[in-house]
Amino acid sequence: GAGVSQSPSNKVTEKGKDVELRCDPISGHTALYWYRQSLGQGLEFLIYFQGNSAPDKSGLPSDRFSAERTGGSVSTLTIQRTQQEDSAVYLCASSLVRAGELFFGEGSRLTVL
Amino acid sequence: QQQVKQSPQSLIVQKGGISIINCAYENTAFDYFPWYQQFPGKGPALLIAIRPDVSEKKEGRFTISFNKSAKQFSLHIMDSQPGDSATYFCAARGGADGLTFGKGTHLIIQP
Repeated sequence: GAGVSQSPSNKVTEKGKDVELRCDPISGHTALYWYRQSLGQGLEFLIYFQGNSAPDKSGLPSDRFSAERTGGSVSTLTIQRTQQEDSAVYLCASSLVRAGELFFGEGSRLTVL
Repeated sequence: QQQVKQSPQSLIVQKGGISIINCAYENTAFDYFPWYQQFPGKGPALLIAIRPDVSEKKEGRFTISFNKSAKQFSLHIMDSQPGDSATYFCAARGGADGLTFGKGTHLIIQP
């Protein structure tokens, strides 16, 4: 596809369950970002991947959050033992170079009951 | 900590009016200042951007004004239209953090 693809678009889960959110960036983009956006709020940086370098995990809010990027392409954000405060839209973005123009996906809306 | 402070948090403008959103930064190492536009249910998308060696950039009805000495930049939307209703994020690039976003402005254009 031409843009950043995220799945699922919506996920409802029960407190304590684990969830996986997937991001398929634009082909050839070396940089990949995950952001969290709570209702009506700004963009909270979570994690950044650049090529084969070690990711910048400085924005992950707790050790329940982890992410990986396989083969320099698809990324998965995993939230373990979900809590109600994890409810938000999780946005993925990719860019051709570090901090260049970011292309965002439409997000995965997570609701933790 | 690197920050970009954005104001106002929300803004209501009459159709045909001028919408103005302001941002301020501290880090003089920032070298690129984009604005992103986000419609409900969509991801943000790049609207317009400026580099610090330019004081103004205009694309259609959208203009960025940049004041390097004051470390401030602003987005002006001329002849605002209901279709401009969205959330706008300023951002700044530089340093170890890459791209730093403001907290966003929710803009409503009333017909």
